[in-house]
Amino acid sequence: LAKTTQPISMDSYEGQEVNITCSHNNIATNDYITWYQQFPSQGPRFIIQGYKTKVTNEVASLFIPADRKSSTLSLPRVSLSDTAVYYCLVGFSGSARQLTFGSGTQLTVLP
Amino acid sequence: GAVVSQHPSWVICKSGTSVKIECRSLDFQATTMFWYRQFPKQSLMLMATSNEGSKATYEQGVEKDKFLINHASLTLSTLTVTSAHPEDSSFYICSAPNWRGGTGELFFGEGSRLTVL
Repeated sequence: LAKTTQPISMDSYEGQEVNITCSHNNIATNDYITWYQQFPSQGPRFIIQGYKTKVTNEVASLFIPADRKSSTLSLPRVSLSDTAVYYCLVGFSGSARQLTFGSGTQLTVLP
Repeated sequence: GAVVSQHPSWVICKSGTSVKIECRSLDFQATTMFWYRQFPKQSLMLMATSNEGSKATYEQGVEKDKFLINHASLTLSTLTVTSAHPEDSSFYICSAPNWRGGTGELFFGEGSRLTVL
């Protein structure tokens, strides 16, 4: 199982772009990288998923370098409501693999 | 998108009683579901993998007889905390993978807050 390492916490101000990096040195060839967002007392919510290079959707971008040993979640122009814990998970190669949650990154957006 | 629903969202029980938490995949079938527990300010810890039609697979250190898991159908898994004690108080979350074209997305339930008095 690929282990992930993220910063424990980050602070930002409203309107800024936030980049959260995750290290996953032992990622397997068929693994995808997925980021989740969790608010207090709620289940995690899917943000974005990618395999390589760059993926963008309506809420975030995901940058994955060629060696895939890390990934960066980019949140454009954050707002107070983006204050949450963000987790990166590595896995899902087409089989029902168990996913291990790392510590996650507590993002606090300040006014 | 796919939806996973948990019930109840919160429950308070007396020490020594058993509590059942349901996890349903509402618009897709899930042969596998995962159960996690989460303590305050901590990450999700995988407890077990629920397998439809077969026994659950428990993580090391999780008591099988304490946390009974039954995956009765392709859309329902249940977690029963037996003889609950205050130390079992936690936030329990289930998830189910939905596969599409070789990649998968893990959908999570809303979570169930268990408080044992």
